[in-house]
Amino acid sequence: DAKTTQPNSMESNEEEPVHLPCNHSTISGTDYIHWYRQLPSQGPEYVIHGLTSNVNNRMASLAIAEDRKSSTLILHRATLRDAAVYYCILRDVTGGSNYKLTFGKGTLLTVNP
Amino acid sequence: DTEVTQTPKHLVMGMTNKKSLKCEQHMGHRAMYWYKQKAKKPPELMFVYSYEKLSINESVPSRFSPECPNSSLLNLHLHALQPEDSALYLCASSLGPGETQYFGPGTRLLVL
Repeated sequence: DAKTTQPNSMESNEEEPVHLPCNHSTISGTDYIHWYRQLPSQGPEYVIHGLTSNVNNRMASLAIAEDRKSSTLILHRATLRDAAVYYCILRDVTGGSNYKLTFGKGTLLTVNP
Repeated sequence: DTEVTQTPKHLVMGMTNKKSLKCEQHMGHRAMYWYKQKAKKPPELMFVYSYEKLSINESVPSRFSPECPNSSLLNLHLHALQPEDSALYLCASSLGPGETQYFGPGTRLLVL
C-alpha cells in the first residue's frame, strides 16, 4: 500500500473548524483516500473516503488536492467527542490487497473546551 | 442491527490456557477481519474471511487460529500465547471485500 504522512498531533478548540492534513505523494491512480478515526477505548470508525473530487457527509468533508498528492479532512465544528486518532489510509481497489486497511500512525486530535 | 459485537470485553489468560474470542454481526456482511492493536500503535491486520473462507493470513503464528462457522460469526482461538501477545483484538466486517469496514469495540487481552 502507498504510504501516507500525517502530523503526530493537533489541537483545536471546541466549535472551531479543524483541518487535518495528509500527504500521499506516491498515490496511484487507483488508490482511494479513506479516513477512519479511533476514539479512546473504541474500535476504529469510518469517517469518509474519496477518489478525486471533494466529498461531504454528515461527519466531515474531504478536500483532495488537484494532483491527489495530499488531502485534508475537515471537521466543520469540532466537539469534545471528536477527540480521537485520525487515520488517513490509501486503498487500491483493483487488486487482491483491496481487503486490507493498512493503518499508519495517525494524528491525535485534542479538542479543548 | 448496525453493530459488530465482541466478547469478552476483557480476558486474562495464562500461557498454557486455551481461550476463544468471539465476534458477531447481523448486517449481512460477507467479509470479516481480525486486527491486533498494541498500546499506542495502529491496528494491524491478522486475518480476512471472505464468504466464510480464509482469504488472507498475514503470517500470524499458529497459536492464533481463526474460525468462521457462519457468515455472522467469527472466532479467534488462542492457545499457548506469549506475554507479548497482550493487546487489543479488534474484529471488523464489511459488506464485501474492499467495502467500508465496521469495527467492534475490541477484546483487551492480557497474557500472564
